[in-house]
Amino acid sequence: RKEVEQDPGPFNVPEGATVAFNCTYSNSASQSFFWYRQDCRKEPKLLMSVYSSGNEDGRFTAQLNRASQYISLLIRDSKLSDSATYLCVVSDASGGSYIPTFGRGTSLIVHP
Amino acid sequence: DGGITQSPKYLFRKEGQNVTLSCEQNLNHDAMYWYRQDPGQGLRLIYYSQIVNDFQKGDIAEGYSVSREKKESFPLTVTSAQKNPTAFYLCASSPRTGLISNTGELFFGEGSRLTVL
Repeated sequence: RKEVEQDPGPFNVPEGATVAFNCTYSNSASQSFFWYRQDCRKEPKLLMSVYSSGNEDGRFTAQLNRASQYISLLIRDSKLSDSATYLCVVSDASGGSYIPTFGRGTSLIVHP
Repeated sequence: DGGITQSPKYLFRKEGQNVTLSCEQNLNHDAMYWYRQDPGQGLRLIYYSQIVNDFQKGDIAEGYSVSREKKESFPLTVTSAQKNPTAFYLCASSPRTGLISNTGELFFGEGSRLTVL
C-alpha cells in the first residue's frame, strides 16, 4: 500500500520564525511531488511543486531526496497568514494518469 | 473563468437515503477524481476517471458510485450502503499524462460538506 507520512503537529511558532516540515513516501517509483496548503474548511491549493534540484519561491523552499524518499518544506520569516495545514502530495503514474496520494497534513500555527 | 464547480456546498440527508454530489469542470481535463476528507485527516481517494466512460476504484470506494458520461462531469453518489458518509467531499481534475503541462498537479473544486442526520 502506497503511503505518505507527515508529522501532524501542530507546529506552534512565533512570527518571524523558520519552520521545517518533512514528509516520507513509500513508493520509490513515485514521479511527482507537491506541497499543498489547506485553510480551515476550504479546498487544498497548490503551494509549490518539488523538484529534484530543490526549488524556492520567496520565503518557501522545497527539497526532494529520492534516495531517502522524503520531501521537505522550509518556511522562513513566518507570517500570521501562513497558519494553515500543509499537505504533502506524491503522484504515481498509472495507465496514463497521475494518481495523487495525500499525507494527513501538518498543522502550522503562527502567533504574534 | 475556467475551473471546477461542485454542488451543493452543504447537504443534509437522512440515514438510508442516497445522495448525488455534482462536479463539473471546463478546463478540458481528461482525469477527474473524488476524495473524501474527515476532520484531522488527509484526503482519501474514492474513485477516479482517466477518460470518458471509464473509471476506477480508489482506496475507499465501498458505498459510493460514479459515472463519467461526459468529459466535463463526474458525479458521485453516496449510497445508503456507506456506513459513515458524513464528511467533506472534494472533486479534482488534472490534464492527461503526456502533455508537457501536466506535472500531476490537481485542480480542486470548493468541496461539498455532507452531514447525515
